[in-house]
Amino acid sequence: GQNIDQPTEMTATEGAIVQINCTYQTSGFNGLFWYQQHAGEAPTFLSYNVLDGLEEKGRFSSFLSRSKGYSYLLLKELQMKDSASYLCAAVDSNYQLIWGAGTKLIIKP
Amino acid sequence: DTAVSQTPKYLVTQMGNDKSIKCEQNLGHDTMYWYKQDSKKFLKIMFSYNNKELIINETVPNRFSPKSPDKAHLNLHINSLELGDSAVYFCASSQETLAETYNEQFFGPGTRLTVL
Repeated sequence: GQNIDQPTEMTATEGAIVQINCTYQTSGFNGLFWYQQHAGEAPTFLSYNVLDGLEEKGRFSSFLSRSKGYSYLLLKELQMKDSASYLCAAVDSNYQLIWGAGTKLIIKP
Repeated sequence: DTAVSQTPKYLVTQMGNDKSIKCEQNLGHDTMYWYKQDSKKFLKIMFSYNNKELIINETVPNRFSPKSPDKAHLNLHINSLELGDSAVYFCASSQETLAETYNEQFFGPGTRLTVL
């Protein structure tokens, strides 16, 4: 079967760095997305990785290792507004998105 | 100038009723989707649709049916509503997926459906 695993909840301190991990098992692989979802709002696109390595975009970076079926989202200089759920989604061989349940990130002052 | 819009934002109804949720996108995208997000926040694909193909998640009951009057609209019709249908329903759209490429999805604001 197809499966995405990510931690249910994480807590971090304002100004710090946090890494949210995601492992995936899919039938074929055509890339991995990270989305951010604030409570009561729609998911919004953060990043897309299809090649191995690190993609940096401001305070957020996303890493992919295809051989390990593993990705992480790295958030630096955390701000209170980064409190949200972070959803990992892998693209399978049929170009369908397989979604994780999301990681709720709580930022404390 | 909203990219993906849904109506209504909130929908409260009785078990057994039939209801529809409307979705419109003005991004010129070729593919639209419906997702269900339950109380555990798990986002589950229900349908993906473009002018060529409707892909249905086989776990979706046939009480749910997408209707697309044109490329910019994909409405969700639900018959005989059940308590377990209570959730937030998100519409999304993206450019058509081509071989070896993938395009991000843009989500609507969601419709919170409560079945009493």
